[in-house]
Amino acid sequence: SQKIEQNSEALNIQEGKTATLTCNYTNYSPAYLQWYRQDPGRGPVFLLLIRENEKEKRKERLKVTFDTTLKQSLFHITASQPADSATYLCALDILGGSQGNLIFGKGTKLSVKP
Amino acid sequence: GAVVSQHPSRVICKSGTSVKIECRSLDFQATTMFWYRQFPKQSLMLMATSNEGSKATYEQGVEKDKFLINHASLTLSTLTVTSAHPEDSSFYICSARGPWVGEGKTQYFGPGTRLLVL
Repeated sequence: SQKIEQNSEALNIQEGKTATLTCNYTNYSPAYLQWYRQDPGRGPVFLLLIRENEKEKRKERLKVTFDTTLKQSLFHITASQPADSATYLCALDILGGSQGNLIFGKGTKLSVKP
Repeated sequence: GAVVSQHPSRVICKSGTSVKIECRSLDFQATTMFWYRQFPKQSLMLMATSNEGSKATYEQGVEKDKFLINHASLTLSTLTVTSAHPEDSSFYICSARGPWVGEGKTQYFGPGTRLLVL
């Protein structure tokens, strides 16, 4: 069956450290993989998109990797800050799927302690 | 750019009443809008996809007669929960996608509507 899993429900780290979140999927062939941030009681906010033929993408303190052989994406936040505390969702963008359909993981709740 | 608004942000209603939620793209034309439902600590679950001027496409298990979707213009979609029951209480989020090409199917989300049915 098709699955998308984010490695842990919650991740606690100390301010200044690098947070690494994992997204694994099975039985999908995504053309793109996207990461979103969701704060409590709010809608998700788009962060980064990486294509299937890209290995890595960066945006300020964020870095995303995409390994289509391992069927895995890693999302890194360097020099983490308490303001980075939120739930992070990965989403698969399936080529040939119904237009605009994204498949979301359950998310990982990140807490950055000062 | 790419701002999506939702109204109301929170609604409490009695069982059996209908509730309408509006979703607007404020600074772009949304060729496609999506409605999601999210229960606590759960993933976003797509309910339906709608294109302006055509009928919505509902996901399996979502009752189209209960969740009426109207996408009357390129900037407005509405979701009406008809004859709401307590089990319909949830966080409803819309998203919109513009006609851009090349960068995948990035969606821009509204802030969500918290529905509580008593």
